[in-house]
Amino acid sequence: DAKTTQPPSMDCAEGRAANLPCNHSTISGNEYVYWYRQIHSQGPQYIIHGLKNNETNEMASLIITEDRKSSTLILPHATLRDTAVYYCIVRVASFAPKTSYDKVIFGPGTSLSVIP
Amino acid sequence: NAGVTQTPKFQVLKTGQSMTLQCAQDMNHNSMYWYRQDPGMGLRLIYYSASEGTTDKGEVPNGYNVSRLNKREFSLRLESAAPSQTSVYFCASREDSPLHFGNGTRLTVT
Repeated sequence: DAKTTQPPSMDCAEGRAANLPCNHSTISGNEYVYWYRQIHSQGPQYIIHGLKNNETNEMASLIITEDRKSSTLILPHATLRDTAVYYCIVRVASFAPKTSYDKVIFGPGTSLSVIP
Repeated sequence: NAGVTQTPKFQVLKTGQSMTLQCAQDMNHNSMYWYRQDPGMGLRLIYYSASEGTTDKGEVPNGYNVSRLNKREFSLRLESAAPSQTSVYFCASREDSPLHFGNGTRLTVT
């Protein structure tokens, strides 16, 4: 699976948009970009994913560059409850006959602090 | 639906003791995973199972064994616990979907 690179930490003012970047320059054509977040020591929570088109849901927006080598997670109006570690991962699953692999590797992520 | 259930929530072991961490999911997912997370660190993959009957090593498999008992259950065994295995252990599952995580097992080895 392709590796990802994220800044170790970021700050964002409450009420402003938080833009979290992720580089995945070795991404393959069949790999999706996924974003998760982890609040305190809870289990990570899924946020959003995409292949090549921009995506939006009730939590966030995902912008993927045309060459797919990087992406940005956007939290449009950050609140204090968005303070968390955000993980960007890319993954591919192969379920070809007689073989299968579905490894999902997390990097260290970005620690986002939302400041009042 | 309970999602992904991990037991126990907390455990303290002495060095050299053995134990099995249990994980069960009720979402009929094929793939299941075990991760560990040390304080201030990201998640590291220990073992995963892409389908019933198959298991594969992740990034940090040494000192652990796993069993995919059936489609629902994926257990992680520490045969001889060491202080370096003090960590929070997360189980996860997925199908053609994002990962669903359990709430973790906090293990301390003294």
